[in-house]
Amino acid sequence: DTGVSQDPRHKITKRGQNVTFRCDPISEHNRLYWYRQTLGQGPEFLTYFQNEAQLEKSRLLSDRFSAERPKGSFSTLEIQRTEQGDSAMYLCASSLEGLADHNEQFFGPGTRLTVL
Amino acid sequence: AQSVAQPEDQVNVAEGNPLTVKCTYSVSGNPYLFWYVQYPNRGLQFLLKYITGDNLVKGSYGFEAEFNKSQTSFHLKKPSALVSDSALYFCAVRDRHSGNTPLVFGKGTRLSVIA
Repeated sequence: DTGVSQDPRHKITKRGQNVTFRCDPISEHNRLYWYRQTLGQGPEFLTYFQNEAQLEKSRLLSDRFSAERPKGSFSTLEIQRTEQGDSAMYLCASSLEGLADHNEQFFGPGTRLTVL
Repeated sequence: AQSVAQPEDQVNVAEGNPLTVKCTYSVSGNPYLFWYVQYPNRGLQFLLKYITGDNLVKGSYGFEAEFNKSQTSFHLKKPSALVSDSALYFCAVRDRHSGNTPLVFGKGTRLSVIA
């Protein structure tokens, strides 16, 4: 399968612990996005990368959240000092964008985080 | 600011009947519009998009959507629903003229096709 993959698929942690999620995009895609989805809501944008550069961060991305894409391939999203409100599905997506900037994003299956 | 409204949380339709899932949007400029579908335990899958040109866009699995600029709508349609179409559908918008703005998604509409 050459789609977007995410690891782990599920994570249960205790409040105050740190967690890290990984996303492997489609290999030739230059853009990588992170979203958060809670029950009954659509995906909410968190941040995105163009190759290894992080170009935009949502105000939803508090100081406890950090994302990296060090070599322009896979990405990690770390949440420090988790809170119960961080419980959500974290989605990764990738796309191949040129000047037109309207190509579809391909989504991974998501990582479901539960903070106890 | 961009926004998307999906006014129906749930749409029920009998198998074989036509279906419509509604979407309206708000952007300051001209939009790029997308529909995605989410099946249980699977990631969002792209269905179709409107960029420019013909207002009727055809996509995967027999779905189509009509862009209506005057009504700022992009309703998803299918002439004959299948039970396998039952899923969660999301409309999304990006403002074409606002640089690298992210996609903004609606809350989703759950489609239930009854045999």
